[in-house]
Amino acid sequence: GQNIDQPTEMTATEGAIVQINCTYQTSGFNGLFWYQQHAGEAPTFLSYNVLDGLEEKGRFSSFLSRSKGYSYLLLKELQMKDSASYLCAVGRMEYGNKLVFGAGTILRVKS
Amino acid sequence: GAVVSQHPSRVICKSGTSVKIECRSLDFQATTMFWYRQFPKQSLMLMATSNEGSKATYEQGVEKDKFLINHASLTLSTLTVTSAHPEDSSFYICSARDKSGVFDNSPLHFGNGTRLTVT
Repeated sequence: GQNIDQPTEMTATEGAIVQINCTYQTSGFNGLFWYQQHAGEAPTFLSYNVLDGLEEKGRFSSFLSRSKGYSYLLLKELQMKDSASYLCAVGRMEYGNKLVFGAGTILRVKS
Repeated sequence: GAVVSQHPSRVICKSGTSVKIECRSLDFQATTMFWYRQFPKQSLMLMATSNEGSKATYEQGVEKDKFLINHASLTLSTLTVTSAHPEDSSFYICSARDKSGVFDNSPLHFGNGTRLTVT
């Protein structure tokens, strides 16, 4: 089986930096993915890590430590439109490369 | 980038009827598609893996006779909710991976989802 944990909710201020953590336990690890989902919409892909380290994409960065089963998503220069749910998902090689999602972290950006 | 189209976006049906949801990969071929379900304020739960030309693989607890999946071509998978009941009301989302790249762990691309309401 697998276990994916991330905080339920976070609040941050516009212009600030926020870090959303995700811990996981799984077999057949094949990548850690971050998605953004606005209410009532489908998830959109943000970032993914296969190897340890930091991946940067504009205002979004994601970090992975496979030995610790740990990842985080870093959002810089927060904007109001960043208010959404952020989903951490683990790829599992042994099951057709399917993605298993965590419960998601609801981020609220306040002015 | 890879585009996945899902239709319809919303459907309301009466209890006991069946509903078909289509998922198409528009600019790539998808040998595998995934169907997820999401209840309000919950995360995505994988229902089944749709395999082109073969039977779908269902997750534990998902009734294969109720949720019929057909993946007849490399660009189309369908999910049919048979004899729908109010508890089947949910947000159904399909996804696919463009496997034209080198790595099998390329990101999943999601359709826009189908909001099913069973009255």
